[in-house]
Amino acid sequence: DAGVIQSPRHEVTEMGQEVTLRCKPISGHNSLFWYRQTMMRGLELLIYFNNNVPIDDSGMPEDRFSAKMPNASFSTLKIQPSEPRDSAVYFCASSLAMGYQETQYFGPGTRLLVL
Amino acid sequence: AQTVTQSQPEMSVQEAETVTLSCTYDTSESDYYLFWYKQPPSRQMILVIRQEAYKQQNATENRFSVNFQKAAKSFSLKISDSQLGDAAMYFCAYSGTYKYIFGTGTRLKVLA
Repeated sequence: DAGVIQSPRHEVTEMGQEVTLRCKPISGHNSLFWYRQTMMRGLELLIYFNNNVPIDDSGMPEDRFSAKMPNASFSTLKIQPSEPRDSAVYFCASSLAMGYQETQYFGPGTRLLVL
Repeated sequence: AQTVTQSQPEMSVQEAETVTLSCTYDTSESDYYLFWYKQPPSRQMILVIRQEAYKQQNATENRFSVNFQKAAKSFSLKISDSQLGDAAMYFCAYSGTYKYIFGTGTRLKVLA
């Protein structure tokens, strides 16, 4: 089975540009998570979906960040406008069922650099 | 609020030796899960082992085992017969009713 798929793997953009990160969860998984990893702040949970519905977005840093899950097999994380401090590795993860107790399976991450 | 602390930023172990990575956590919940994830240079986060808090028996997975001390809120990872491929960042994670929290990680170096 394919794991969690993320695209692009690397993204370099200029400050002020819109950035869209994409994620395809494991088929049959009902929950999807977006994380951001930086040296300074470690791994932070940004938002969590269950059955395509956002459940907890308390980790989304500000209004420049938005996430959608239009169907069970696709999610996007958008940053508009991007800033240099958004540079990080963004991970998507999925789990089989609702609830934080389930094992999460991570994608390979997208390394974002905002110049 | 729940917290996860990994007090060892970096550890080294000789190949074939045993190493223990420490993790402590704080929570008021009685039902939760604990995980160890490995992140090699490829950045891929890989589940190493998981422990349900209601189980007294420590989880094991081949060369990896945990020492789960619920009262002390301690969850250490033991790697036996260390291999060069074990070199990576290791993250301890807590999963409760409302949060999934990662520690800051321990970088493990394996010396040949």
